[in-house]
Amino acid sequence: GAGVSQSPRYKVAKRGQDVALRCDPISGHVSLFWYQQALGQGPEFLTYFQNEAQLDKSGLPSDRFFAERPEGSVSTLKIQRTQQEDSAVYLCASSRGTTGETQYFGPGTRLLVL
Amino acid sequence: AQSVTQLDSHVSVSEGTPVLLRCNYSSSYSPSLFWYVQHPNKGLQLLLKYTSAATLVKGINGFEAEFKKSETSFHLTKPSAHMSDAAEYFCVVSVHSGGGADGLTFGKGTHLIIQP
Repeated sequence: GAGVSQSPRYKVAKRGQDVALRCDPISGHVSLFWYQQALGQGPEFLTYFQNEAQLDKSGLPSDRFFAERPEGSVSTLKIQRTQQEDSAVYLCASSRGTTGETQYFGPGTRLLVL
Repeated sequence: AQSVTQLDSHVSVSEGTPVLLRCNYSSSYSPSLFWYVQHPNKGLQLLLKYTSAATLVKGINGFEAEFKKSETSFHLTKPSAHMSDAAEYFCVVSVHSGGGADGLTFGKGTHLIIQP
């Protein structure tokens, strides 16, 4: 496709459930990023992939958060045993290269944990 | 470490008047600076980008920003506001630390309101 796509666009989960959020980056983009945007706040960096390698996961808030990009294209962010504080919009971005490149954002997945 | 401060959480202007959204940054290295716009229920869109070339950067939709190293500022301006400019604006800094990851650091955002 022409841009970054994410699915689902909306997700409601009961506390304690596991969720999986998908990101399809722009074809051929090497770098992929995940961000978390709480209500009324700016996005915050979670993790970064260069192809299939996860080079930075310093922003993941707990060990309940896990991300993968096994073939260097599609990525999945998984949250285990969801908590109410996980409610946020999860944004995916991709860029063509590895340094100084513009990041293109998807529309996000809005997660609500009840 | 780097950080971004957007000095106004809300800015309200009348249609046709100038827009000024203020941003200050802090960075240990030479930064790349960006402005992104987020319309309701839409993805973040890049307005403009500074990467150590010209200090006055022109972006889309008539926006521009000036990098002032002495003031550590990167304010966003537009000569004449349009109703379609109403949105959330984020000032963003990126520092390449050599590790191949350019995770972006976002400000808290400025909500731009356009009065008819």
